[in-house]
Amino acid sequence: DTAVSQTPKYLVTQMGNDKSIKCEQNLGHDTMYWYKQDSKKFLKIMFSYNNKELIINETVPNRFSPKSPDKAHLNLHINSLELGDSAVYFCASSQVAGPEQYFGPGTRLTVT
Amino acid sequence: DAKTTQPNSMESNEEEPVHLPCNHSTISGTDYIHWYRQLPSQGPEYVIHGLTSNVNNRMASLAIAEDRKSSTLILHRATLRDAAVYYCILRDVNNNAGNMLTFGGGTRLMVKP
Repeated sequence: DTAVSQTPKYLVTQMGNDKSIKCEQNLGHDTMYWYKQDSKKFLKIMFSYNNKELIINETVPNRFSPKSPDKAHLNLHINSLELGDSAVYFCASSQVAGPEQYFGPGTRLTVT
Repeated sequence: DAKTTQPNSMESNEEEPVHLPCNHSTISGTDYIHWYRQLPSQGPEYVIHGLTSNVNNRMASLAIAEDRKSSTLILHRATLRDAAVYYCILRDVNNNAGNMLTFGGGTRLMVKP
């Protein structure tokens, strides 16, 4: 069973479009995250979310917004895509303040 | 969270032990030391974590210096599958809103057959 899954695995789109990446975890965790890994392979936290609070990394543009329909899902919506948004996006989950975060396989977003 | 320093890359022979160092001279008393690794084309994977005492699990061992300003991740017998980027991360459990991880550049471990 896949613990943290993401769809799609690959996403190619044009500048200016709006797109979403879905994330689901079946671990019963109460906290989920989005990370971005750029072309230089640096991993940066974007959001941390549980049912009580959303923590946003201050460097994330407001074109990015996480949406959680329920505890098992945290989707990432991106408006007005730009070339610089091209990256691999990873979803992760954990128990709140738990030491282990479980990562999904990643979604490679290419903006042309 | 305090910063860590790791070598950019290391090489190892298959079936030999590997010692991956991490310096964290500004570590605070409530910083836990975490290690994650990222295999090629995969998401990061938790390896081990500790506070003061050395820790062992099925994947690796973590040796923490007495002054806690450095630590070493030990893979007892490297396999080709252990080739990955290894990240040493400090997490302050008392001052980390959102439980977020701050990744550095990590160490790229290459394993030769």
